[in-house]
Order: sequence, then C-alpha cells, then structure tokens
Amino acid sequence: DIQMTQSPSSLSASVGDRVTITCRASQGIRNDLDWYQQKPGKAPKRLIYAASSLQSGVPSRFSGSGSGTEFTLTISSLQPEDFATYYCLQHNSYPPTFGQGTKVEIK
Amino acid sequence: EVQLVESGGGLVQPGRSLRLSCAASGFIFDAYGMHWVRQAPGKGLEWVSGINRNGDNIGYAGSVRGRFTISRDNAKSSLYLQMNSLRAEDTAFYYCARDVSGGQYSSSWCPDHWGQGTLVIVSS
Repeated sequence: DIQMTQSPSSLSASVGDRVTITCRASQGIRNDLDWYQQKPGKAPKRLIYAASSLQSGVPSRFSGSGSGTEFTLTISSLQPEDFATYYCLQHNSYPPTFGQGTKVEIK
Repeated sequence: EVQLVESGGGLVQPGRSLRLSCAASGFIFDAYGMHWVRQAPGKGLEWVSGINRNGDNIGYAGSVRGRFTISRDNAKSSLYLQMNSLRAEDTAFYYCARDVSGGQYSSSWCPDHWGQGTLVIVSS
C-alpha cells in the first residue's frame, strides 16, 4: 500500500495567517491526490481534487499544488471557519489511502 | 444534490454481526462505484471496502477481509456492509461514499461525496 505522510500533525495559527500543510507519498502518484476538510462531528468534505483543482463552492483562499510524491495544501488567509482537521487522499493505486491528518487550531 | 444516508449502526458484542445500509439519492446510483470508509473516535480515516457500479469488482482493506462483505442493490439505490466477527478495533464511524466514476478500475478508486456516517461500537 502507498503510505501518505502528512506534516505537521497539528499547528496553531491566527486568523489571517497563511497556512501550508504537506503530504508526501511513499511512491509517485502523479497528481492523483485530493484534500479533505473535516470539522468535529461532521463528514469529510473534499476541497481539492487532482492535486490542484478547486472543488466547486470552495473558497479561493484554498489551493493545492504538487505532483509525484510531494503535495501541499495552502490556505492563503486563515478564516475562523477553517479551523478543522485536513486529510490528503491518494487514489493512484489500490487501495486508496489517507494521510494521518493535520489539525489546525486557533492560536 | 447527492445524498447518502447511512443506518444500522449501534452497540454490538465482540464476535457478533451487524449490517450497515446506505440509501442514496440525487444521482444515478447504478452509474457510480461506492465505498465504505471508517474513522475510529478521535482517529484518522481508513478506507474499508469498495464496489464498482455493477458489483463485479470488489475490494477490501486487509483489516476486514474475510469478515466484512460489501454489496449493493441498484434497484433500491442502496449500498450495504455486512460485518461479521466484529472486534473492538472495528469501533468507528462508518461513512458511505460515492466514487467519482463507475469504479471499473480499482486502481483508481476515489471517493468524493460522503454521507454523515453511522457509529458502530463493539463492546461487551
């Protein structure tokens, strides 16, 4: 199975900060990577697909980049509603695998 | 609008069985592959099982293979997960998720729309 390693596992940030989360794959996955946001008690919501495409309805402050083995999710200006846990998902190879998550907390 | 509503969760003793259901609406059910993904309380996401649109391509995570069975009824727009020989480590929220496509190739399985989940607690 492809291992997905996210960093950091948690971070504290203030409203307005630029936040970057990294996801590394144990082998090349082209751009077959999605980013999800999950708030407490809620289902995960897809933000980014194919590494850099913004899901319809998702604010433009979210962006994704990368290909191969290294990917980043960037929030350009953190908003109060963005405090949540973020996961990457690779779907290049069976089985689909998730990163362990990055919890974004209020500083 | 895609809607996925899971049901069937609850408290069950170790070694017993439980069947989860997922009622789908808002899309052409038999055109899409489907998945079950779980999340233990306070932990990360784990893909559990997937099935293609026709039900003839099925896969399982190693942790549940031989104990869980995924199935679908396209006439009823429903997805199921039969869970046997349950263990404490199966305790989790179980999410039903739609694939981005028909799921004909398991190497590219990709869940996108998710239900709200149903909680399974395995405890004596």
